[in-house]
Amino acid sequence: EVQLVESGGGLVQPGRSLRLSCAASGFTFDDFAMHWVRQAPGKGLEWVSSISWNSGLVEYADSVKGRFTISRDNAKNSVSLQMNSLKPEDTALYYCARADSGFYQYFDYWGQGTRVTVSS
Amino acid sequence: DIQMTQSPPSLSASVGDRVIIACRASENIASYLNWYQQRPGQAPKLLVFGASSLQSGVPSRFSGGGSGTEFTLTISSLQPEDFATYYCQQTYRTRRTFGQGTRVQI
Repeated sequence: EVQLVESGGGLVQPGRSLRLSCAASGFTFDDFAMHWVRQAPGKGLEWVSSISWNSGLVEYADSVKGRFTISRDNAKNSVSLQMNSLKPEDTALYYCARADSGFYQYFDYWGQGTRVTVSS
Repeated sequence: DIQMTQSPPSLSASVGDRVIIACRASENIASYLNWYQQRPGQAPKLLVFGASSLQSGVPSRFSGGGSGTEFTLTISSLQPEDFATYYCQQTYRTRRTFGQGTRVQI
C-alpha cells in the first residue's frame, strides 16, 4: 500500500525556518517525481515545488523561489522541503504528492498534510 | 506560468442533478489536464487524468472532456458523497498549476 506521511510542521515566527519531511512507503521511491502542494486556510490548492526521481530537475512556484529548497534521499525514501525566511502568507497545510511516471504525470497519491503556521 | 480558470466558483445542486464544471487554460495544454476531488478535511483525490481517462475506482458518473484550452468535468447524477470541491490541474508545463476550485454544495 502506497503511503506518504508528512511531518515537521508547526508554529514559527516570521523570518524563521522550518523543514518539512515526507516519508514514502509501498512503492519504488526512486521511480517517481515528488511534489509539494499547499493549501492556505479556506483557500484552494497551490503547487509549491517538485523534484525529479534523480534530483536532476527541481522547480518552484514564484511565491517560494529563493526561499524554499526541495531535496530527496532515495536511500531513505524521503523528500524534504526546507523553508527559509517564512512569511505569514506561507501559513498552510502542506501536502506531499507522488507524480505518476507515465505520460500525464498526475498526482495519484497524497499524504494527509502537515500544518505550518507563520505568526508572531 | 499557465493560468487555470474554473467556472463557476461554486454551485448549488440536488441529488440526481447533472453537474458540469468548466476549466480553461491560458495556453494550449493538449490533454494534460487532471481533475481532483477534495472533501472537507481530506487530501485531494484524483478523479480524471489526461482530460478524459477515469482513474481506477472512480464511479462512472464522473467523466472528463475537452482538449487544448477548454475542459469539462461532468457528474451525470450527483450523489450525496459528491458534495465537495473540485480542482483542475495542468501537467503540460513542469511548473504545475491548479484552478481555483469549484465548490459543489447542496
